[in-house]
Amino acid sequence: KAGVTQTPRYLIKTRGQQVTLSCSPISGHRSVSWYQQTPGQGLQFLFEYFSETQRNKGNFPGRFSGRQFSNSRSEMNVSTLELGDSALYLCASSSQPRQGGTDTQYFGPGTRLTVL
Amino acid sequence: ILNVEQSPQSLHVQEGDSTNFTCSFPSSNFYALHWYRWETAKSPEALFVMTLNGDEKKKGRISATLNTKEGYSYLYIKGSQPEDSATYLCATGGSQGNLIFGKGTKLSVKP
Repeated sequence: KAGVTQTPRYLIKTRGQQVTLSCSPISGHRSVSWYQQTPGQGLQFLFEYFSETQRNKGNFPGRFSGRQFSNSRSEMNVSTLELGDSALYLCASSSQPRQGGTDTQYFGPGTRLTVL
Repeated sequence: ILNVEQSPQSLHVQEGDSTNFTCSFPSSNFYALHWYRWETAKSPEALFVMTLNGDEKKKGRISATLNTKEGYSYLYIKGSQPEDSATYLCATGGSQGNLIFGKGTKLSVKP
């Protein structure tokens, strides 16, 4: 099976712009989660989608949004970019969400976003 | 808010050394504990998922134990090799299914 893919791998934007990142999960996986990693921080949970519905959301401002399509592919959008949004954005897929995160999540390689 | 702590932050060992790291997490409302290995420029790779107190998992030279009552997990690497160099992440499962990660332990193995 092909792994989780993310596009683009690298992106440079300027403050105030918006950006859309894409994630294709492992075939058959219906749950997609997004994480942000900034220097010195662990992976921070952004949100999770399952069957085109947002199930869970982390503590991020409303500038961060996402969606999931009927084929389980997911996009993440960040509007009005700030310098602090420079980070590695990872998505992860699992077959289905389970209470307590007992299902293994499989990660993509990430998108490195730089905001100038 | 759950806090997952990992120690040490970084570790430098010689090839052939055995090593271990610690992951600490709140023991209340425990669901699952995950270990990942993350090599530079690659995707985090799932190593283990553990759910029961006393669980022990093994994959080659890597093993992990879980103590949910006191809120810690150990990851052991026996006979470290240069290819073991990576950041090792642990994460605990939140009630909604999301993962809460520690900041990781960065392991460097010198030949």
